[in-house]
Formats: sequence, structure tokens, C-alpha cells
Amino acid sequence: NAGVTQTPKFQVLKTGQSMTLQCAQDMNHNSMYWYRQDPGMGLRLIYYSASEGTTDKGEVPNGYNVSRLNKREFSLRLESAAPSQTSVYFCASSTSTGEYQPQHFGDGTRLSIL
Amino acid sequence: AQTVTQSQPEMSVQEAETVTLSCTYDTSESNYYLFWYKQPPSRQMILVIRQEAYKQQNATENRFSVNFQKAAKSFSLKISDSQLGDTAMYFCAFRGNTDKLIFGTGTRLQVFP
Repeated sequence: NAGVTQTPKFQVLKTGQSMTLQCAQDMNHNSMYWYRQDPGMGLRLIYYSASEGTTDKGEVPNGYNVSRLNKREFSLRLESAAPSQTSVYFCASSTSTGEYQPQHFGDGTRLSIL
Repeated sequence: AQTVTQSQPEMSVQEAETVTLSCTYDTSESNYYLFWYKQPPSRQMILVIRQEAYKQQNATENRFSVNFQKAAKSFSLKISDSQLGDTAMYFCAFRGNTDKLIFGTGTRLQVFP
């Protein structure tokens, strides 16, 4: 059971380049999330999707776009990368029907922008 | 807005001893969930334990237990019989009536032999 799969695991970009981080889950979860993790800041929510076809901003959405392609996949796009977006990015998923279940996380993508 | 505060950036404990990690939160909601996640050097986020606010009984998972004080808005994690594999970052998280998690800034725990 793969759970939540993120690709790539590592990436180095130059300032101004664009990039899409991919996330897929095989647990039939309704909700999916993108977080960034910076030293001393914990995890902060960038965007989330409560169901297929819907997306909402989280705490730090500026500079990012998302697409909920289908129930399984939720991608995060940096249109013009900036050094301030150097971070570790986590995708997560959970079910929002029935009894609440905790979020399951992917292994993260370490992104460095030079 | 909800906030989660972890006031201990770093903690250390000797193997087989007990350690308690602190977490406080602020919310005006009455129904919510609290979690402790572990992040080892492998970077995975692993759920350690969860607590529903409507339950008065403190949650327990093997060597991990919580002290949930709803009136004080406190949610501490106790690790008994600490093991080297417990070395990790520990994050406290809150989930209210929206489908979002609010994380604290984490506590780095080092277990020494």
C-alpha cells in the first residue's frame, strides 16, 4: 500500500524557473493538502482541496497554484520560483466523510531555489 | 484564529527514562482534535497519538500517553521507557471544525544511550 506518493524527492531550480510538484494517493481520500516546512516554523498549509474540483487557500498561498486533477492527484505549481520558496514540501490526504481520520503524509520534496 | 505553541525547542533524555513534551493551544471551539506527529531524520511525518476534545480520558498508545487539560488548553506528550528510535522532531497539531491542521513549531528530542 503506497499511501501518499510525492515526486520528485529533490529538486534544484534557478530563480524564475517554473516547476510542478506531483502528489498522488491511493487511499480513496476526499481531501488533499500541500504544506511547506521551514526551519523553526513547523508545517504551514499552502493550499488544500476538500474534494475533487475544489481548492482553497491556506495560510501561505502566495506564489503557488494548485490543481486537483482527479480524486487521486493534487499538484502544486511554482510559476516563477523565488529563493524564499526554498523549503521542504509535504502533500497529505485524509477522508472527510464519516468519522474523522488523521492526515496521511507523503515523504516530502526538498526544493532549493538558487 | 487558532494557535499552537510548543515552548521547548529542544529536549534530551537518557534511554529508558521518561520525558514530557509540552503543547498549548488557543481556540474558541468546543469540539476539536489534537495530535502529536513524529518526524525522524528520514523526514516522514508519523502520527503518534490523537485526542478528541470531547473525550475526558487521556489517550494512550503503548509507551506514548497524553495529559489533556481542556480548561487549561494544554496537551502534553509523555514518552515512557525512551528508546534511541524515539529521537526525532515532535509536532503538536490542532484540527477544529475546518479540515485543516494547525501545527506548532516542533520540539527536537534527542535520546542518549
